[in-house]
Amino acid sequence: QQKVQQSPESLIVPEGGMASLNCTSSDRNVDYFWWYRQHSGKSPKMLMSIFSNGEKEEGRFTVHLNKASLHTSLHIRDSQPSDSALYLCAVNTNTGKLTFGDGTVLTVKP
Amino acid sequence: GPKVLQIPSHQIIDMGQMVTLNCDPVSNHLYFYWYKQILGQQMEFLVNFYNGKVMEKSKLFKDQFSVERPDGSYFTLKIQPTALEDSAVYFCASSLEDTNTLYFGAGTRLSVL
Repeated sequence: QQKVQQSPESLIVPEGGMASLNCTSSDRNVDYFWWYRQHSGKSPKMLMSIFSNGEKEEGRFTVHLNKASLHTSLHIRDSQPSDSALYLCAVNTNTGKLTFGDGTVLTVKP
Repeated sequence: GPKVLQIPSHQIIDMGQMVTLNCDPVSNHLYFYWYKQILGQQMEFLVNFYNGKVMEKSKLFKDQFSVERPDGSYFTLKIQPTALEDSAVYFCASSLEDTNTLYFGAGTRLSVL
């Protein structure tokens, strides 16, 4: 059973548009939620993390977390072609072992 | 930012041979990880390593797999013998503490023929 579900599988947004990505864990023991971005053929790089309920904003990126529903979402405003990548949601408990979702492929069309 | 180096970037070997994948983690990091990603599929945890010991491993970490980091040198993943299903990209990662950000290397693409 997939422990981390991401949706949608793929997303196309116009340049300057808003991209919204979703992620839900089925493991009630998770404490930490991460968003990684992986450009094609490159390593995943941590984009944002969130550990408590609410919202966190860094530049064009905003992440929300609802711990009761184990749901997190990533929103990218003013999307740029360079944002085109695979976005991976990952969760962990109090160990470093990350469990990843299958990812959302974001394409930003100029 | 902090860099994790992986050597080689691509390795091609015949089934049944031994292969060693090398990782140079971030210098002051204490926790080390291997992940496996088959093309187009999920990034999956293999093993984590701290203070010279395996902390946790997944069912993907078969008996043919082993990890070590002798005397602060490379953190290595050895597969002996290799099987066709071992073909994948193997990512090394490191973190300062076990709940900190993981920094990933660029991966080693392993092709088992």
